[in-house]
Amino acid sequence: GQQLNQSPQSMFIQEGEDVSMNCTSSSIFNTWLWYKQDPGEGPVLLIALYKAGELTSNGRLTAQFGITRKDSFLNISASIPSDVGIYFCAGVIIQGAQKLVFGQGTRLTINP
Amino acid sequence: KAGVTQTPRYLIKTRGQQVTLSCSPISGHRSVSWYQQTPGQGLQFLFEYFSETQRNKGNFPGRFSGRQFSNSRSEMNVSTLELGDSALYLCASSLDGDNSPLHFGNGTRLTVT
Repeated sequence: GQQLNQSPQSMFIQEGEDVSMNCTSSSIFNTWLWYKQDPGEGPVLLIALYKAGELTSNGRLTAQFGITRKDSFLNISASIPSDVGIYFCAGVIIQGAQKLVFGQGTRLTINP
Repeated sequence: KAGVTQTPRYLIKTRGQQVTLSCSPISGHRSVSWYQQTPGQGLQFLFEYFSETQRNKGNFPGRFSGRQFSNSRSEMNVSTLELGDSALYLCASSLDGDNSPLHFGNGTRLTVT
């Protein structure tokens, strides 16, 4: 079945640093989504990417849909304490109905 | 606009029992999907409903079932609970389930003892 490899699994950074994480797959996806999950809550959508090569920003977040449609990255600039959490990438497959395949998550910890 | 609402937030059940979880999608959203989240397996797709019909199903046993009502609200049922069913069950809704992004609720934390 489809699998996503998300890296790194965890990151420990200083406040103010930039962050980069990515997801790769051997499968092609129609859409890439990036979510953030805080403890005790559901994932919250950060960025949606619909076209190969698309580069989209949402405040300090920037994400790109890889040209091959098999990968995506998320960058966070000038990290702040509230960026702490688990970030998930998700590839969308449309086979009569939408199904998301999730990466394993990147746990971000920020040292003040 | 209210988000995706899941009830209850927490459940404790014993092995062999059955459980029903409820999800109210964002108003106007017609597609509802269910996911299981565990530390070991991550987020796994259970099934997706659109217009009261199951359109897609993940690789879970038949003990896991669901349904969708005419108002798009959905329920998920797990029968003959096993210890391994302990997880966070997340419901997500989208406008049409084709390529519109999914918006998740805060989940139901199920503990099976």
